[in-house]
Amino acid sequence: GQNIDQPTEMTATEGAIVQINCTYQTSGFNGLFWYQQHAGEAPTFLSYNVLDGLEEKGRFSSFLSRSKGYSYLLLKELQMKDSASYLCAVMDSNYQLIWGAGTKLIIKP
Amino acid sequence: DVKVTQSSRYLVKRTGEKVFLECVQDMDHENMFWYRQDPGLGLRLIYFSYDVKMKEKGDIPEGYSVSREKKERFSLILESASTNQTSMYLCASSLAGGPGNEQFFGPGTRLTVL
Repeated sequence: GQNIDQPTEMTATEGAIVQINCTYQTSGFNGLFWYQQHAGEAPTFLSYNVLDGLEEKGRFSSFLSRSKGYSYLLLKELQMKDSASYLCAVMDSNYQLIWGAGTKLIIKP
Repeated sequence: DVKVTQSSRYLVKRTGEKVFLECVQDMDHENMFWYRQDPGLGLRLIYFSYDVKMKEKGDIPEGYSVSREKKERFSLILESASTNQTSMYLCASSLAGGPGNEQFFGPGTRLTVL
């Protein structure tokens, strides 16, 4: 079966760095997405990785290792507004997105 | 500003009622999707459409149907609502032509079936 695993909840301190991991087992791979979802709101796109390596976008970076079936989202200089759920999703061989359950990130002052 | 809109933010219906959830996008996207989101589970795909009049079943189509008569509008229909269809329903759209095209989501409809 297809499976995406990510931690249910993480806590971090304002100004710090946090890494949210995602491991996946899917039938085929056509890229991995990270989305941010604030409580009660729609998910919004953060990043897309299809090749191995690190993609940096401001305070957010996303890493992919296809051989390990592993990705992480790195958030630097955490701000209170980063409190949200972070969703990992993999596009499979049928070009369908398989979604993880999301990681709820709590930022403390 | 690109937009996906959904007809209602909150909806309460009774068991057995027919329910229509509407989604409209203004980005001229070819692809449109309906998901449901439940606590502790990832988004689950109900139906999707890559073109007008076209529809494909997702992972959990049972109890649902869809309609896409115009490119910008994708409707989800619950033929006879049941309590296990209480959920958050999210509509999304994306451009055709590449796996890396992000999906844009609407604000969601929180449906409660009593």
